[in-house]
Amino acid sequence: DTAVSQTPKYLVTQMGNDKSIKCEQNLGHDTMYWYKQDSKKFLKIMFSYNNKELIINETVPNRFSPKSPDKAHLNLHINSLELGDSAVYFCASSQGGSRGTIYFGEGSWLTVV
Amino acid sequence: DQQVKQNSPSLSVQEGRISILNCDYTNSMFDYFLWYKKYPAEGPTFLISISSIKDKNEDGRFTVFLNKSAKHLSLHIVPSQPGDSAVYFCAASGTSGTYKYIFGTGTRLKVLA
Repeated sequence: DTAVSQTPKYLVTQMGNDKSIKCEQNLGHDTMYWYKQDSKKFLKIMFSYNNKELIINETVPNRFSPKSPDKAHLNLHINSLELGDSAVYFCASSQGGSRGTIYFGEGSWLTVV
Repeated sequence: DQQVKQNSPSLSVQEGRISILNCDYTNSMFDYFLWYKKYPAEGPTFLISISSIKDKNEDGRFTVFLNKSAKHLSLHIVPSQPGDSAVYFCAASGTSGTYKYIFGTGTRLKVLA
């Protein structure tokens, strides 16, 4: 029973398209995150939500819009995809802000062609 | 500005020997540290953590050491096993409630049989 699940796992799409990645956690955590791992393998935080409220919004183009319909879900919508958006996107969750262990999903491999 | 650094991109160790992975940080506000292990095509999985009130934490074959004055932590794996071959990330977080974990760039460990 996967704790943090995200779909799709692989996504190949053309430049200019709009796509969404969905994430759900069944751990009862109050905080969810989106991280991006780029070609240099650097894991960088994009967004953080606590109890459905946006807490962290790093320097991310506004083509990226997270949406949290409830505490257990945090979806990532990307408009007008660009080649540079190709990366692995990881959803994660934790309890207690930055004091708890953060649990990751398996990642969504996005390739923009 | 890389606040968490893992200066060794890769490390090879013989099976049965000790693996030592290092991590340095620059932000003195960090007070909670974690290590993650990542296999290809999977999300990072939690290994071990340490709070700044301690200088050592042990869990089975894994021990994390924290040197606050040097802003340095290390992960020791003894004895190393081929299944330990993976990329290891260290992560740091600051004052409770900031909802932000900063990750290092990872060290690829290869344990040779």
